[in-house]
Amino acid sequence: AQSVSQHNHHVILSEAASLELGCNYSYGGTVNLFWYVQYPGQHLQLLLKYFSGDPLVKGIKGFEAEFIKSKFSFNLRKPSVQWSDTAEYFCAVIKGAGGTSYGKLTFGQGTILTVHP
Amino acid sequence: EADIYQTPRYLVIGTGKKITLECSQTMGHDKMYWYQQDPGMELHLIHYSYGVNSTEKGDLSSESTVSRIRTEHFPLTLESARPSHTSQYLCASTLGVGELFFGEGSRLTVL
Repeated sequence: AQSVSQHNHHVILSEAASLELGCNYSYGGTVNLFWYVQYPGQHLQLLLKYFSGDPLVKGIKGFEAEFIKSKFSFNLRKPSVQWSDTAEYFCAVIKGAGGTSYGKLTFGQGTILTVHP
Repeated sequence: EADIYQTPRYLVIGTGKKITLECSQTMGHDKMYWYQQDPGMELHLIHYSYGVNSTEKGDLSSESTVSRIRTEHFPLTLESARPSHTSQYLCASTLGVGELFFGEGSRLTVL
């Protein structure tokens, strides 16, 4: 069965520190990849997505992620975090091309990011 | 801003009660989903629908049931709630081009 693994359950950083959250998936075929974020008290929302093309994807609020097919990874990065980035981050994968047209998202267990001012 | 609404946001009930969690979206999306989320765990898909009168069970077995009589409405029902049903339930919808829009969730506690 396809699975998604996020390496860290809880990451604590100070403002201006650099961030990298790991995400690995187990499916060997074509995949579409997503990062979702859930700010405290709010609903899950899309941060960025990769379908094809340039493996370096830029999302909202200065986040980016790099798809490395050989490593089955889609790590999330931000050069300088802010207190407002405190949230829970979920990596998600869908098998096959075409996004959610043809399948269902499989989520990782989430990483809680706490940023101290 | 996504237009998908879940009610109630919080519910505390006793064992054996029947409950329905409501989910409505005003975006005209065909595809709708219910996920179950426990703290520190991944979201698990429990039900999905690709359109009116279409419902399927997800990857995680659930005693809940769903219906899809109208495009905009995708309620989830537990006929007899138990403490093991205590969890957060998230509803989502999509047009099918990549992005899922989530509701704010319904946090259920069964005593």
